[in-house]
Amino acid sequence: KQEVTQIPAALSVPEGENLVLNCSFTDSAIYNLQWFRQDPGKGLTSLLLIQSSQREQTSGRLNASLDKSSGRSTLYIAASQPGDSATYLCAVGNEKLTFGTGTRLTIIP
Amino acid sequence: NAGVMQNPRHLVRRRGQEARLRCSPMKGHSHVYWYRQLPEEGLKFMVYLQKENIIDESGMPKERFSAEFPKEGPSILRIQQVVRGDSAAYFCASSFPGAKNIQYFGAGTRLSVL
Repeated sequence: KQEVTQIPAALSVPEGENLVLNCSFTDSAIYNLQWFRQDPGKGLTSLLLIQSSQREQTSGRLNASLDKSSGRSTLYIAASQPGDSATYLCAVGNEKLTFGTGTRLTIIP
Repeated sequence: NAGVMQNPRHLVRRRGQEARLRCSPMKGHSHVYWYRQLPEEGLKFMVYLQKENIIDESGMPKERFSAEFPKEGPSILRIQQVVRGDSAAYFCASSFPGAKNIQYFGAGTRLSVL
């Protein structure tokens, strides 16, 4: 049974700093890994999707890496902004996504 | 092109009543997924449907919960005889037939059981 863990559960950093969010999964036979953003009271926004054959994906200030052998993924956010404050979720799978419990990120102006 | 639409956004029910949650997928999407997020927990997969078919319902509770995605109209998640433990946010996602790995999520329905 796939289990996804995200550490830390919460993170606060000053505006402008670079930061890394971590995601680990127990079953390395994954199809895809996705990073989502969830704002309070709202749905999920897909940020980046890494297919199992890929090692990283980039979009703007975001970079996600995938290391299947170690069961880990990281989401790197460069030059953080207050608007980046949200809960970040990682999920693995194809039709049936298994989610981590998320990291609640607060960017301090 | 509107995104995935869920309604209602908030639903309050008393114990023993029925809850019906609706999800209209994005235009052209024929795959629908339902997830549940209990307070302070992560999202958990419930069911995966295609038009008129349930593909995977391994995450659905065995009793009181059912889902459908008819040929016409929205997908419905139905919870009969609700209990307080059903209070949660229910999210729907949809995808294109040929790109099942990219799921687009709705804003969710927050169910409160009194």
